Amino acid sequence: QVQLQQWGAGLLKPSETLSLSCDVYGGSLINFHWTWIRQSPEKGLEYIGEINYNGTSYYNPSLKSRATISIDTSKKRFSLKLTSVTVADTAVYYCARGRIPGRYWGQGTPVTVSS
Amino acid sequence: DVVLTQSPLFLPVTLGEPASISCRSNQSLDHPDGNTYLNWFHQRPGQPPRRLIYKVSNRDSGVPDRFSGSGSGTDFTLKINRVEAEDAGVFYCMQGSYWPPLTFGGGTKVEI
Repeated sequence: QVQLQQWGAGLLKPSETLSLSCDVYGGSLINFHWTWIRQSPEKGLEYIGEINYNGTSYYNPSLKSRATISIDTSKKRFSLKLTSVTVADTAVYYCARGRIPGRYWGQGTPVTVSS
Repeated sequence: DVVLTQSPLFLPVTLGEPASISCRSNQSLDHPDGNTYLNWFHQRPGQPPRRLIYKVSNRDSGVPDRFSGSGSGTDFTLKINRVEAEDAGVFYCMQGSYWPPLTFGGGTKVEI
């Protein structure tokens, strides 16, 4: 059974860097895309970006190059960094398997940006 | 970006009765590869979304057959044949035909 376990800091100050990781259990990273999505009351569900097992990544242009997604196949882990956060980045962040995620999602990490 | 508009925003339903949710796109979601990547998700409070339908009308594994999707081009519909208590929550449409970015509709809250 595939499980995605996400972890990372949940409270940040403006201008800091958000850093989250997602560990994949019970399945391979190969042949899949791995996606980050966030959800806030203001913006709803928002695609952040994705990466494939070869390391090719795609991003939401709205994030203006602040986001970086990386993958470590040896650790079965993919990660998100979002620089220069503001209060507008406050959201629940999800990792998921697939460009169009199906069954396999992380549990969600609430991230609050506050001074 | 592709904009998806759902209606209604709020849908009170009665157990055992049918329900229908609309999703309209500001441009056709027909992809040059012949597919239409319009998907439906359901989310309960405190949980991640769960995909119900992919490519307009294909039910994901384990999804009850009371859920059905239809539509083409810019207009799509999710229908629930007979609403059950576990269907409470928020339904979202999402397009993957033209990305990045993938985009979601604003959601329809179903209350029983």
